[in-house]
Amino acid sequence: KNQVEQSPQSLIILEGKNCTLQCNYTVSPFSNLRWYKQDTGRGPVSLTIMTFSENTKSNGRYTATLDADTKQSSLHITASQLSDSASYICVVTVTNTGNQFYFGTGTSLTVIP
Amino acid sequence: GAGVSQSPRYKVAKRGQDVALRCDPISGHVSLFWYQQALGQGPEFLTYFQNEAQLDKSGLPSDRFFAERPEGSVSTLKIQRTQQEDSAVYLCASRLAGGNEQFFGPGTRLTVL
Repeated sequence: KNQVEQSPQSLIILEGKNCTLQCNYTVSPFSNLRWYKQDTGRGPVSLTIMTFSENTKSNGRYTATLDADTKQSSLHITASQLSDSASYICVVTVTNTGNQFYFGTGTSLTVIP
Repeated sequence: GAGVSQSPRYKVAKRGQDVALRCDPISGHVSLFWYQQALGQGPEFLTYFQNEAQLDKSGLPSDRFFAERPEGSVSTLKIQRTQQEDSAVYLCASRLAGGNEQFFGPGTRLTVL
């Protein structure tokens, strides 16, 4: 069964600290993996995308890693800011159609001053 | 427009009422997706259009759910005889032909009393 699991479910960190969010998937055949940021009351916004051959991708203070062998990805946030408070969703796309997207349940991150 | 827009942003319906949710995709985007996002969960796929053709409706939870995109641009998701379990945020996303990134709207929060 195609699944995407994320951990932790929620996380509270102090402003300025780093954190790492995890995503494990069983989706096959794999096409790409995206991390989205979803602010409260808004739609998800893409942060990074990685294909099978890529193992790291950065977008400012966000760095995503991918291990296609173990089917694991992580999103590392450096020097967190209050505006980083949001849900972070991992989404895996299936190769054969390009239109099947499997969403994780998200990690709710709260950055406190 | 600059992004995907959805209306209304909030909808409260009495159980048994019919509702219609509208999505205006980014101009020129061929693909359009509808998702249902329950509280604290990731989005779940409902249906997918390419232009006016509904190519995949496997995610629609029941025959009370109906989506259309008659002219290949604006789409409407209709829910008949709403039930309390239909309460969720309904997200719309659009994508360029051949593109691999979906752009999400802000969602419509439906509450069924």
